Amino acid sequence: EPEVTQTPSHQVTQMGQEVILRCVPISNHLYFYWYRQILGQKVEFLVSFYNNEISEKSEIFDDQFSVERPDGSNFTLKIRSTKLEDSAMYFCASTGLSNTEAFFGQGTRLTVV
Amino acid sequence: GESVGLHLPTLSVQEGDNSIINCAYSNSASDYFIWYKQESGKGPQFIIDIRSNMDKRQGQRVTVLLNKTVKHLSLQIAATQPGDSAVYFCAENTWGKLIFGQGTELSVKP
Repeated sequence: EPEVTQTPSHQVTQMGQEVILRCVPISNHLYFYWYRQILGQKVEFLVSFYNNEISEKSEIFDDQFSVERPDGSNFTLKIRSTKLEDSAMYFCASTGLSNTEAFFGQGTRLTVV
Repeated sequence: GESVGLHLPTLSVQEGDNSIINCAYSNSASDYFIWYKQESGKGPQFIIDIRSNMDKRQGQRVTVLLNKTVKHLSLQIAATQPGDSAVYFCAENTWGKLIFGQGTELSVKP
């Protein structure tokens, strides 16, 4: 069964450092998303990406965040200067042409120290 | 505004019993809802969805009910099994973007 894969599974970084979280969406999917989940809280939308550009972003997705699809398979989330409050699980998701059922990756646990 | 909420943070049921997880939403224009299951350390997993032109939709052991009058939806799990233990989220799907509720943690007692 096709799946969304994310790497690394766990990333520890020092405050102020840049991190790049990587995702490989399902190969024929067209819409890509990043969500985050702070421990014990609900999953929150960060950004959606379609046709090589951001289609929507939330208030959380400020100038410190960026996304990129550098090739035909990877979809990355970059945080330029991490803050303690960026510590969370980050989930990548993708959907097909109908943009309905989203498939989520296993997540990357980001810990900022 | 966009808001999806849940009534209870935890639910404990006996194995074999039916489970009902509830969710309220505030936007009367919302027309597409999805239930997700999240097991510990994993990403959300699609369970079942429903559009506003339906009141009920059934899957394998799961049923989603939508009451547009009171802006409420529920997930019913029949014959709950230990493998059903997880956090369950309702989510509003708006052009692909998901707005999640807080989640209900379901515990199944053997």
